Amino acid sequence: SQQGEEDPQALSIQEGENATMNCSYKTSINNLQWYRQNSGRGLVHLILIRSNEREKHSGRLRVTLDTSKKSSSLLITASRAADTASYFCATVQDTGRRALTFGSGTRLQVQP
Amino acid sequence: EADIYQTPRYLVIGTGKKITLECSQTMGHDKMYWYQQDPGMELHLIHYSYGVNSTEKGDLSSESTVSRIRTEHFPLTLESARPSHTSQYLCASSGLGGRSDTQYFGPGTRLTVL
Repeated sequence: SQQGEEDPQALSIQEGENATMNCSYKTSINNLQWYRQNSGRGLVHLILIRSNEREKHSGRLRVTLDTSKKSSSLLITASRAADTASYFCATVQDTGRRALTFGSGTRLQVQP
Repeated sequence: EADIYQTPRYLVIGTGKKITLECSQTMGHDKMYWYQQDPGMELHLIHYSYGVNSTEKGDLSSESTVSRIRTEHFPLTLESARPSHTSQYLCASSGLGGRSDTQYFGPGTRLTVL
């Protein structure tokens, strides 16, 4: 991957369970973002966390960032079947252009 | 729902044809991007633009070209399509201010070259 690894590559859970996805990156960043992609569709922005932040919440989503380990995690609590999608982390580097560099993604399947 | 549109949604063409994938946004964003994504894989940046008459190549080498004559419009052209160009192409845009790094994506164009 041009960015790093996402772990796990695929995750299958039951409705109501929590889902945790991890992302590692390689360079110094300005911010890290998480996106969701339903099959064959465009991406939808979920949450952005800046390099000086350690944790952020949005509804059922909780994101953590550890810049010393160059890693982030996305937690989805009380998952629903509608959460079934691929989840990508993406980073904006600390210098230069503002384009996103994407990870390889985690495919989440939530069984009803 | 993001106000960014891509046409066509699906395109099947023969080798050697010239094609243009359209992307337009009504959010007044100055920055626009094209990504290429194979099924189940990550997105690769192939072109980006920070404003009118500004275009740059991305991380993934691509035989496609882009233009940015109007703020809202960022078309991608392949002069001579080949089977290796078969992929999904995603357009995105982002704006100024505090949310300037958040990108809004179109639905994508799935291209198949026979």
